[in-house]
Order: sequence, then structure tokens, then C-alpha cells
Amino acid sequence: AQSVTQLGSHVSVSEGALVLLRCNYSSSVPPYLFWYVQYPNQGLQLLLKYTSAATLVKGINGFEAEFKKSETSFHLTKPSAHMSDAAEYFCAVASGTYKYIFGTGTRLKVLA
Amino acid sequence: GAGVSQSPSNKVTEKGKDVELRCDPISGHTALYWYRQSLGQGLEFLIYFQGNSAPDKSGLPSDRFSAERTGGSVSTLTIQRTQQEDSAVYLCASSLAPGGPADTQYFGPGTRLTVL
Repeated sequence: AQSVTQLGSHVSVSEGALVLLRCNYSSSVPPYLFWYVQYPNQGLQLLLKYTSAATLVKGINGFEAEFKKSETSFHLTKPSAHMSDAAEYFCAVASGTYKYIFGTGTRLKVLA
Repeated sequence: GAGVSQSPSNKVTEKGKDVELRCDPISGHTALYWYRQSLGQGLEFLIYFQGNSAPDKSGLPSDRFSAERTGGSVSTLTIQRTQQEDSAVYLCASSLAPGGPADTQYFGPGTRLTVL
């Protein structure tokens, strides 16, 4: 069975600081992994996805994530946080099917 | 259209009433999905459509929930005899055929349902 764990339901960083949002997955087959962002009162927007090509995936808005099979992780990072990054971030896994399994989300707060 | 649209954006109803939630997928997307986002929880898969057929209804929480899709486009999620635990944001997504794991799912803004 597939599952996703996002460590930290709330993360606060200072503007300009490194953003690190953690995601660990469980999958019995090679996974496809996704990060989505949700701004208040909006739907989910795809940030980036891993589909077994390069292990370092670059996405929109300066975000990137690295697939580490040995650690079953797909953490999301951004070198320098901006106020506009404040949102909720969801990690998702899909293993062989269309069904995405989402984590419970991490709400990112950016402090001025 | 340019993106997935959903209506209404907000719906407040009384316990026991029926509600219909609508989703318009991206033009040309044959796969359509419904998810539910409850407070403090992640997104919960409800149902998947390929064309007008729903090969996977495994996520529908009870027989009060049903969904249909017509013309390979618009989908309606119906909740009968609503209960307070049905209060959530209902999100619709669509993707290109055949709806495989690598096909990006594009999400609509959601419908926030509140059952009083």
C-alpha cells in the first residue's frame, strides 16, 4: 500500500531563509511523486513532479525536490523564502495507477 | 476553458438536504477525479472517471454519494441527505488520457460545503 508522511504540519521560516518541507513515502513499486501548493481559497497548483528521470527535480517559483530512494524521501526545498511562498504544501505519491495519495499537508509561514 | 472550474464556490445547506457540485474539466482532458479535503486532513480520493465511465468509485464514503459525467466533460457530484460530517472542500481534477500516474492532475478551486 502507498502512503505519504509529511513531517511538520506547520513550518515557519524567516524571509530569505532556506525552506525545507519534508516528505517521506511508502510504495511497493517505483513511485511517481508530486508537490502541490495551495494558496488560500484556491485549488492545488503543481510545483513539480518526479517521474523516474533525474532525481533532482526543479519546479516553479524556485522550488526543487530530490528523490532519495534509499531514504524514501522527496523533500521540497527553496534556497530563499519569499513572503509570497506562504501557503499549504502537499506531497503526493502515485504508484502504477492514477490514484494520488496525498499527505496531510504542511502550512508554511514566512516571517518578515 | 483555461483551467478546471467548479461551482458553486461555496455551498451552505441544512442537514438532510441534497446538494449537487459541478466540475468543468480542462477541454480535451478525458480523465476526471473528485477528492475531498476535510479540516486537518489530506486530500481523500473519491472517484475517477475515464470518459463517461467511472471504473473506480472506491473512495465514495457511502451510498449517499454519487457522481456522473456526461459528454465526456462536465461532472456532477451529488450528496444526498447531507450530514454534518460531509462538510469539507470538494476538489475536482482532470488529466489527459489515459489517466496514468505520470499524467499531471490539474485541480479546480474547489467547492466549500458546509452542512448546518
